[in-house]
Amino acid sequence: QKEVEQDPGPLSVPEGAIVSLNCTYSNSAFQYFMWYRQYSRKGPELLMYTYSSGNKEDGRFTAQVDKSSKYISLFIRDSQPSDSATYLCAFSGTGTASKLTFGTGTRLQVTL
Amino acid sequence: GAVVSQHPSRVICKSGTSVKIECRSLDFQATTMFWYRQFPKKSLMLMATSNEGSKATYEQGVEKDKFLINHASLTLSTLTVTSAHPEDSSFYICSAREPFTDTQYFGPGTRLTVL
Repeated sequence: QKEVEQDPGPLSVPEGAIVSLNCTYSNSAFQYFMWYRQYSRKGPELLMYTYSSGNKEDGRFTAQVDKSSKYISLFIRDSQPSDSATYLCAFSGTGTASKLTFGTGTRLQVTL
Repeated sequence: GAVVSQHPSRVICKSGTSVKIECRSLDFQATTMFWYRQFPKKSLMLMATSNEGSKATYEQGVEKDKFLINHASLTLSTLTVTSAHPEDSSFYICSAREPFTDTQYFGPGTRLTVL
């Protein structure tokens, strides 16, 4: 079983749609949960991070963590063409600045 | 926000040569930097953790004599790919730990092509 599972997509949605991106993990030691956005040929950019179960909202983005099910989600409301990118989930046992384990990334395309 | 730069952004070299990639934190001091490798449509794979003033810690399976890491100052870490071969062709990304937010900020990456 892989430590992190993430559907690679591609996921294509129309502009304005709500996007749901998901990852599952198997390592119970993971305590920090992050979402990164990566544009083509660029480095990842941190979007959201949390360390507890529940929801965390920041603008159009909501991160959701369910530790009991080992499942995390990122919701994007009112999606825009500029949201088209690859979204990576990432996990750490000791902090957001520590060794990270990444998912494979989900490629999102928001169409006009 | 915190900015991390990498140089060069792209490099093409002949098999057998060595290539140095620089990673700089531009507006903060980073005692810890990380080096990742990413294959097309694949996830980032951590290669090593670089601590200023001490030896880097390499992940299992990463040859330390092949991938030399030097973190000589609080704003600069370098990765040298020695005796590069075509299988070393990849996208190399560094990140730096920003101390106030305790978060990793990533550089834009370096695409290495070994002919």
